[in-house]
Amino acid sequence: AQSVTQPDIHITVSEGASLELRCNYSYGATPYLFWYVQSPGQGLQLLLKYFSGDTLVQGIKGFEAEFKRSQSSFNLRKPSVHWSDAAEYFCAVGGWLTGGGNKLTFGTGTQLKVEL
Amino acid sequence: DVKVTQSSRYLVKRTGEKVFLECVQDMDHENMFWYRQDPGLGLRLIYFSYDVKMKEKGDIPEGYSVSREKKERFSLILESASTNQTSMYLCASDAGRRHEQYFGPGTRLTVT
Repeated sequence: AQSVTQPDIHITVSEGASLELRCNYSYGATPYLFWYVQSPGQGLQLLLKYFSGDTLVQGIKGFEAEFKRSQSSFNLRKPSVHWSDAAEYFCAVGGWLTGGGNKLTFGTGTQLKVEL
Repeated sequence: DVKVTQSSRYLVKRTGEKVFLECVQDMDHENMFWYRQDPGLGLRLIYFSYDVKMKEKGDIPEGYSVSREKKERFSLILESASTNQTSMYLCASDAGRRHEQYFGPGTRLTVT
């Protein structure tokens, strides 16, 4: 069965500092991987996705993630955090569903706090 | 701009009531999903639908049912609401396997 682990429940960084959020997955084949962000009281917004090809993927808002098959990881990074990045971040792995959709399995999320 | 809308942002219901949560997408997506989100548990799939009138159980279907009579609309039904169904409910849709899911803003349901 597919699973996702986000080992950090809370992370606090200073504005302008770099950020790395960790994500480890378990999946039997080449995974489809996603990072979503959720601002307070809002739905989830896609930051970036990996399906195949270049293992370093660029997303919106200056985020990037690197797929490392040998480590079963898909860590999210940003070189310089802005106060507006404070939110909850979810990593997800996509498996097969009847009818051809993605069965997304989510991690438990990492809450990011940004200190000014 | 793609959009998934949910009928209510906040809902308060009493134990035993029948509850309907509505979701509409305007992207002509084949697949639609209902999740519940609880602190420390992330998002868990309740039901999904890959076509009109087609539905499949997700990981936690107990106590829920769904209806999809039109392609753009996917309803989640709590036949007899219970306090352990107090949660945030998120609807999503996607265009298929190699596409991301788009999420609605969520409905925070409280059952008293």
